[in-house]
Amino acid sequence: DGGITQSPKYLFRKEGQNVTLSCEQNLNHDAMYWYRQDPGQGLRLIYYSQIVNDFQKGDIAEGYSVSREKKESFPLTVTSAQKNPTAFYLCASNALQDSPNEKLFFGSGTQLSVL
Amino acid sequence: AQKVTQAQTEISVVEKEDVTLDCVYETRDTTYYLFWYKQPPSGELVFLIRRNSFDEQNEISGRYSWNFQKSTSSFNFTITASQVVDSAVYFCALSERYTGRRALTFGSGTRLQVQP
Repeated sequence: DGGITQSPKYLFRKEGQNVTLSCEQNLNHDAMYWYRQDPGQGLRLIYYSQIVNDFQKGDIAEGYSVSREKKESFPLTVTSAQKNPTAFYLCASNALQDSPNEKLFFGSGTQLSVL
Repeated sequence: AQKVTQAQTEISVVEKEDVTLDCVYETRDTTYYLFWYKQPPSGELVFLIRRNSFDEQNEISGRYSWNFQKSTSSFNFTITASQVVDSAVYFCALSERYTGRRALTFGSGTRLQVQP
């Protein structure tokens, strides 16, 4: 079945540690996105990528980094510079490059907590 | 800048009641797209509907209906005869065709609890 796979489902980070959240899609989608969800604040855009080897900052990119070396993969690294990383992270993708009207498909999310 | 406001943080109804979730948006673009997503307890967002700014026709899909009014910049969602399975967080979202970034902007969500 086609879809978006996020792993792990739960992740714990120690102080000063970088952690990487995985996102893989087999939908042949060009564009991929990372959103952060905090209670009562909805989804906020961290980074997005419309094509391999290119990505743009969203609203809350500070303390995060991404790469897009392959069309299928868009990993998100939460660096030690992100002082409040506890949140639910959602990866998404959609069909066409440069088409914000295309609906997003979402993964099942990763809950990141700080130890 | 684009903005989506969902003023209702949480709504609780009893099964079979009708419920309307409000969504108000702001945009400077003349062409834009509005979406509703459902997030059940499992966490994955499920697409419900997409409308473009040129199509103000109301839409009905089973127990779901949507009312799009450009005059008031609103895109409200009504569930008729609610069921326990409708319990979820519902998000309204906006994307612009020509201005702004190439990604959806989401509202803060409305948590709907349907009691049996």
